[in-house]
Parts: sequence; C-alpha cells; structure tokens
Amino acid sequence: AQSVTQPDIHITVSEGASLELRCNYSYGATPYLFWYVQSPGQGLQLLLKYFSGDTLVQGIKGFEAEFKRSQSSFNLRKPSVHWSDAAEYFCAVGASSSGDKLTFGTGTRLAVRP
Amino acid sequence: GAVVSQHPSWVICKSGTSVKIECRSLDFQATTMFWYRQFPKQSLMLMATSNEGSKATYEQGVEKDKFLINHASLTLSTLTVTSAHPEDSSFYICSATAGAQSGYTFGSGTRLTVV
Repeated sequence: AQSVTQPDIHITVSEGASLELRCNYSYGATPYLFWYVQSPGQGLQLLLKYFSGDTLVQGIKGFEAEFKRSQSSFNLRKPSVHWSDAAEYFCAVGASSSGDKLTFGTGTRLAVRP
Repeated sequence: GAVVSQHPSWVICKSGTSVKIECRSLDFQATTMFWYRQFPKQSLMLMATSNEGSKATYEQGVEKDKFLINHASLTLSTLTVTSAHPEDSSFYICSATAGAQSGYTFGSGTRLTVV
C-alpha cells in the first residue's frame, strides 16, 4: 500500500526566507505526487503535481517541487516566503493501480514570522 | 479551471437526525468522487470512493449504513450522515476527478456539528 510521510509537523520561517517542506512516499512504481495547501476551515488548493517527465515541477504562488526517485521524495520549496503562505500543507500520492485514490501525509503547518 | 461546489459549508443538527451534503462538479464530468473526513489539526482520511452509477467503495472502518453515498450523475455526489451523533461532528470534504491525470479538485468542505 502507498504511504506518505511528512516528517515536519510544524515549521516557522521568517518572511522573505526560503522554505522547504519535506515529503517522502512509499510505493512500488512511480506514483502521482501532489502538494496541496489548506487555509483554516477551507478545502484544499492544488499547488503542483507530478506525473512524469521533468522532475522539477513549477506550481502556483512561486512554489516548486522536485521528484527524486532515489530518495522517494517530493519536497516542496519556495525561495522567498510571504506572510500569506501561512497555512497547512499536504503532500499526497496516488496511483492508477489503487483506483486513483489519494493518500495524504499528516500535513505540515507553516507559520510565517514577520 | 475545474470547480467543485460543496454545500452546505456548515450545518448544525440535532442528535439522531440525518444530514445531507452535496458535492457538484460545475464545469467537468467527474467519473470518480471521493469523500474525506478531517479532524481538527489532522490530515484527511478517505471515507469512500464513488463512481457514477455504481455503489460506493468504503474504506475499512467506515460504516456504510451510517454514511450513505450516492453518485447519481457525473456531476453530483451526496453524502448523507444518518442518525447523526456528536462523535460524527467533523469537517467533511469531497473531491472530484475525471481521471488522475486530469487532477483532483476539492470542495470547500462542510463543517458538521451534532448537538
């Protein structure tokens, strides 16, 4: 079964600093990988996704993620964080062999220090 | 972009009553819809997967008689929480897809409070 690990429960960064949120997955083949952001009491917004091809994926709001097969990782990065980026971030993995179901990580809560 | 409308956004009901939550894909046909439950400060837990015109597939531990899912058309799925109890209070989120490669779009969620 596929699984996703987000080792950092909570991260605080200063506004303008760079950000990296970690995500490791467990799956036999190449999965579909996603990063979503959730503001309190809201649904999830897709930041970016990876299916195949270029392992560096660009997303919305200045985010990018890099798929590293050798490390089973799909870390999310942003060079300069804005106060509005404070939210909960979820990494998710899916696969056609699992009926396209998504499995979510436990999430990382990002706080931004002024 | 793809839009999924979920409503109500919040509902308060009395213990023992039933509540229906709707999830609509507004600008695409969703072959599959998913229902999640999210407890405060926790991740999303998949409850069930529904495909248009067929019975929903429930995850282990989810009571299918309590959480009734109907996916009557390619644009509408409903989740009915039957005989609700306070422990059913939670945030419920739906997601719709026309296939993984087309992406997954999430509704804005429904906050259910059972009193």
